[in-house]
Amino acid sequence: SAVISQKPSRDICQRGTSLTIQCQVDSQVTMMFWYRQQPGQSLTLIATANQGSEATYESGFVIDKFPISRPNLTFSTLTVSNMSPEDSSIYLCSVEVFGLAGMNEQFFGPGTRLTVL
Amino acid sequence: SQQGEEDPQALSIQEGENATMNCSYKTSINNLQWYRQNSGRGLVHLILIRSNEREKHSGRLRVTLDTSKKSSSLLITASRAADTASYFCATVGGAQKLVFGQGTRLTINP
Repeated sequence: SAVISQKPSRDICQRGTSLTIQCQVDSQVTMMFWYRQQPGQSLTLIATANQGSEATYESGFVIDKFPISRPNLTFSTLTVSNMSPEDSSIYLCSVEVFGLAGMNEQFFGPGTRLTVL
Repeated sequence: SQQGEEDPQALSIQEGENATMNCSYKTSINNLQWYRQNSGRGLVHLILIRSNEREKHSGRLRVTLDTSKKSSSLLITASRAADTASYFCATVGGAQKLVFGQGTRLTINP
């Protein structure tokens, strides 16, 4: 498994501002992912972040709105830019590791609860 | 759209009873994973079942997979108040990405 931490754990922001969320993992991993979970909903993948390459965004998510950095194998950031109340969600990072089941498993950080006023 | 559909959306049972949650999906998969989420916190990985496996156990958890019906179930035996959470299934297919179902909100009443 992997131990993942996120900062901040929660924040309340004004519309039009930006927030950068940090994700730190306790071991080197190739694949890191960012998800959004809107209130009462399931998780939706925003992008995949591999070290040394540009993040790959899913349909409906763009780099200008959600720029991602991946400077090394243990760290990534997600910025939510020019926020609006619709961006109020929990943002989670996850990492992929080779698990006991003999396949890749994803482990998640505790999430960042964002409220935009 | 989401790959997985979970049933029921909400389940409320008495402590000590068994809880069964079901997940259906639409396309072929490499594996299916179950997660637990407490009160909007991060997800805890519970169990992974490969597409060539039919049943898997972990403590009080039992997961079954029927690829012919494209469905999976999660059984929690002898439920406890601490099992109160949302449970999500997530499938991994050819694109090697996790696709989550809508989740089941489980409430264990003391």
